[in-house]
Amino acid sequence: DTEVTQTPKHLVMGMTNKKSLKCEQHMGHRAMYWYKQKAKKPPELMFVYSYEKLSINESVPSRFSPECPNSSLLNLHLHALQPEDSALYLCASSQGAPTYEQYFGPGTRLTVT
Amino acid sequence: KQEVTQIPAALSVPEGENLVLNCSFTDSAIYNLQWFRQDPGKGLTSLLLIQSSQREQTSGRLNASLDKSSGRSTLYIAASQPGDSATYLCAVRGTGFQKLVFGTGTRLLVSP
Repeated sequence: DTEVTQTPKHLVMGMTNKKSLKCEQHMGHRAMYWYKQKAKKPPELMFVYSYEKLSINESVPSRFSPECPNSSLLNLHLHALQPEDSALYLCASSQGAPTYEQYFGPGTRLTVT
Repeated sequence: KQEVTQIPAALSVPEGENLVLNCSFTDSAIYNLQWFRQDPGKGLTSLLLIQSSQREQTSGRLNASLDKSSGRSTLYIAASQPGDSATYLCAVRGTGFQKLVFGTGTRLLVSP
């Protein structure tokens, strides 16, 4: 199984809403990632979890709150977002040494109204 | 700071042509390089990964090469097909292992 799954596929939320994005992998990978991708741009790294601990936070605003409940699950909690946060949110997981190859999920298309 | 550039930004070819996509990076101290494909509105699919000690990798009609000292990688697609139409992204992994620095992407259109 080389699949990373993400739910929901699409999400529309108002600026006062609270919602969560979910990501799951069953490849035994111990590193998981959140990326944000705007149209016609490459993905931008937001967070990295390694062995369920937050290891990289790329200075992301606090209205985005990641959580890694266990080695297979990764959540991104959203609160008080702005319209400019509308984007495709991608989850990825990676093998360890020697390649650290990353595998991506299909993404959640988020629209903030 | 590592910067990754892909040329051309867009490419349109007729079916059956062989083509080359280019990726250049500014810091040659990389651990490996990964090529991805992305269909519109979808996630990224890993195509090939080349370790810094390797010169090339092949998978089916795809061949990726790496010249670390000159900061370049190429993705060669043989006998292109309409189904190859997508955006192709290269990404460089530094010695920190966890972070990928993505290139700007090449949008490929293969017409029947």
